[in-house]
Formats: sequence, structure tokens, C-alpha cells
Amino acid sequence: KQEVTQIPAALSVPEGENLVLNCSFTDSAIYNLQWFRQDPGKGLTSLLLIQSSQREQTSGRLNASLDKSSGRSTLYIAASQPGDSATYLCAMIKAAGNKLTFGGGTRVLVKP
Amino acid sequence: KAGVTQTPRYLIKTRGQQVTLSCSPISGHRSVSWYQQTPGQGLQFLFEYFSETQRNKGNFPGRFSGRQFSNSRSEMNVSTLELGDSALYLCASSRAGGRDEQFFGPGTRLTVL
Repeated sequence: KQEVTQIPAALSVPEGENLVLNCSFTDSAIYNLQWFRQDPGKGLTSLLLIQSSQREQTSGRLNASLDKSSGRSTLYIAASQPGDSATYLCAMIKAAGNKLTFGGGTRVLVKP
Repeated sequence: KAGVTQTPRYLIKTRGQQVTLSCSPISGHRSVSWYQQTPGQGLQFLFEYFSETQRNKGNFPGRFSGRQFSNSRSEMNVSTLELGDSALYLCASSRAGGRDEQFFGPGTRLTVL
């Protein structure tokens, strides 16, 4: 079973709508959870890092929550814009290691 | 502050050749990790270096190797290239790994013909 899952794989929303992106993980021994954005053919841009002791983090229009007991993290993007179109990836670091384990990503299209 | 840089950005090689990719981390960062990204497998961890020592290794064959220098710059080497090695190779740096936020470079696109 995949350790980190992101559903749906793709979604399309009209401009101005709020985006809700889901990330599920199977291991409760999580150290950190980090959200990234990736534009086509480019590297990853870090959006938010949530440490295991935190419940949420906010940066501008972005808010990420973490619920270790249910194995879920959610990234909210308020008032979406066409420039938010990208693939969003979540990744966790387990307590015992230093490697990021990634979900498959959610490809987002914000239509003008 | 300069971000993570990777060179070269694009490479085309043929099967059987070897390749070396380079990564310069953010100044002050001592942990460098390497990831392979393919459409079929997504992002997979290759290895992590900290203070010139390999601290973690993913499930890749021995053809994939790396090293880190005293200035924290890192290189990864792939020998005897196979078609399946075609991928985007990303490096990430952080202050010390673990709890620290990781920052990625733009990647090196490797195509094996």
C-alpha cells in the first residue's frame, strides 16, 4: 500500500473558487509534512512545512492542516487564480529518517 | 540568498555511458538529498548526504552513487546508463535534514537514448 496518497489526481476549478487538496498517509510516526508546488518541467517550490507538533500553518492565501490521528493533511488555497495552476505534492518525513516520501500529486487547473 | 542550483539542466546520453550531475545547496545548508522523478514512479528518494557522509540510501541499484564535498556541494553519478534512467533528477538542500524545510533545485533532465 502506498504510504502517501493524494486524491484526486487532477481537478479543475473556476477562478475565484477555493481549492481543497487532500493528502493521506499511513504512518502516524510522522516527523514533518511538507507541501510543494511543481510547474511543468520545473523543480519543486516549497509552500508550507508542518511539524508533527503543529496542527496548521498559514502563508498568505495558503493554509495547511495536519491531523496525525486520522493520517490526513489538507492544503487550502483561497480565492484561486489562474497562476495557481500547477501540480501540488505533499511529502512526509517519518520520525526515523531524513527522506521525503511523496504522494503522487494533484494536478490543478484554474480556469479564468 | 541564492537557491539550490543544479548543473547541467539537460543531458542526452546513450545506453552504457555514465553521467555525473552536480548540485550546489543553499549557503549554510549541510544536507543534500537526491530524488528521481519519472511519470510512472513519481518522486523517489536516491540518497542523502550530510557533512560528506551518506546518511540515507533509497532502493536503487549500485549504478547510482553520490558524494558530497567539504563545501556541501554534491554530485551523483550513474554508470552504465539504461533507458529507464531517463528522468528528472532533483536535489534538495536543508540545514541539517530531519525536521528542516527542504528546498529543491530546478532539476537535471536526463534522456538516455
